[in-house]
Amino acid sequence: RKEVEQDPGPFNVPEGATVAFNCTYSNSASQSFFWYRQDCRKEPKLLMSVYSSGNEDGRFTAQLNRASQYISLLIRDSKLSDSATYLCMTGNQFYFGTGTSLTVIP
Amino acid sequence: DGGITQSPKYLFRKEGQNVTLSCEQNLNHDAMYWYRQDPGQGLRLIYYSQIVNDFQKGDIAEGYSVSREKKESFPLTVTSAQKNPTAFYLCASSIWTSGRGSSSYNEQFFGPGTRLTVL
Repeated sequence: RKEVEQDPGPFNVPEGATVAFNCTYSNSASQSFFWYRQDCRKEPKLLMSVYSSGNEDGRFTAQLNRASQYISLLIRDSKLSDSATYLCMTGNQFYFGTGTSLTVIP
Repeated sequence: DGGITQSPKYLFRKEGQNVTLSCEQNLNHDAMYWYRQDPGQGLRLIYYSQIVNDFQKGDIAEGYSVSREKKESFPLTVTSAQKNPTAFYLCASSIWTSGRGSSSYNEQFFGPGTRLTVL
């Protein structure tokens, strides 16, 4: 079983839509989690950190469910510029998921 | 500007040759990391270093070597023993880490990457 698993998508959503991605992790000792955004052929860029139950930053909300061992990323009012691959990472285990591809359509 | 630099951006190597990828940071971070990314794959940890003159193997260290002689620098050598070296190599740094599996949780910041192609 992989340490971190993500639905690869692709998710194709219209502008203005709300979209959510899930990321499951297998090691219950994982304590911190990060969401990164990766554009095509570029490096990952930190989007959000999740240490306790969740975090919110503008249109982005991350939630942590320790009982079910998953984290989620919610994007509200999607913009064309949100099109990218979103990677989740277990912060203290250094494992990444394979990423979820999002395309926001005009 | 503070940041992480990697060079070169693109690198071509003949089979059987060793090659060294550069990673430099001026963020005053103690911890540095090397990852490999293959198409459609997540990042996989090659090596990480918590402090100068110390480094630990990651999940796919075979065929790679590193050194950490200076806080700012963490070069990665891809040796001829690495069977499938063609990949996108990413260097990252964080303020510090207590090591894999510890309770520390500092964000990692990435350099722009080096694309290595073996001809």
